[in-house]
Amino acid sequence: NAGVMQNPRHLVRRRGQEARLRCSPMKGHSHVYWYRQLPEEGLKFMVYLQKENIIDESGMPKERFSAEFPKEGPSILRIQQVVRGDSAAYFCASSGRTGEDEQYFGPGTRLTVT
Amino acid sequence: RKEVEQDPGPFNVPEGATVAFNCTYSNSASQSFFWYRQDCRKEPKLLMSVYSSGNEDGRFTAQLNRASQYISLLIRDSKLSDSATYLCVVPGGGSYIPTFGRGTSLIVHP
Repeated sequence: NAGVMQNPRHLVRRRGQEARLRCSPMKGHSHVYWYRQLPEEGLKFMVYLQKENIIDESGMPKERFSAEFPKEGPSILRIQQVVRGDSAAYFCASSGRTGEDEQYFGPGTRLTVT
Repeated sequence: RKEVEQDPGPFNVPEGATVAFNCTYSNSASQSFFWYRQDCRKEPKLLMSVYSSGNEDGRFTAQLNRASQYISLLIRDSKLSDSATYLCVVPGGGSYIPTFGRGTSLIVHP
């Protein structure tokens, strides 16, 4: 029973390029959350999605960041025109229900912007 | 969103010690809370759920004090491998979004 999968595990981008991070939730889970974690910092909620719907994106910067969870395929977190401050670990988590249920995390994508 | 506070530590304890962490929260009607463990540069992993009646799993005991609005984690007979950051999580209680504490760092030394 595969857990939450994320790829790539490491991503290096130059300033101004685009970063696309992918997340496949655990089998049977339809709720996906994206978090960002800076070094020595806590997890910061970014966005919560269900299939084909963004439920809450209150933690996501309004510019350059977008997320989707299509009917088929993984959830995608997209960062356009990356800047050095976007360097962080991005974790995806899935759950079987909404915020009342435990979440299971993927291994994360470490984004480095040079 | 709910506020969740944790003492960042680090808690530095010898092997075999008993150590306890608290996590305070503001205003949640949730029925269950969670403790996660995060190792350096790894993803958080679910350690245990915390119910109104408490929860025990081997050397780990979690309690919920709803009146005082805190949850606790007790680790008995600490092992070197228990060294990690422990995150408490307060579910959304209707807002869909759980709130993670910043974590308490535990270092178990020989």
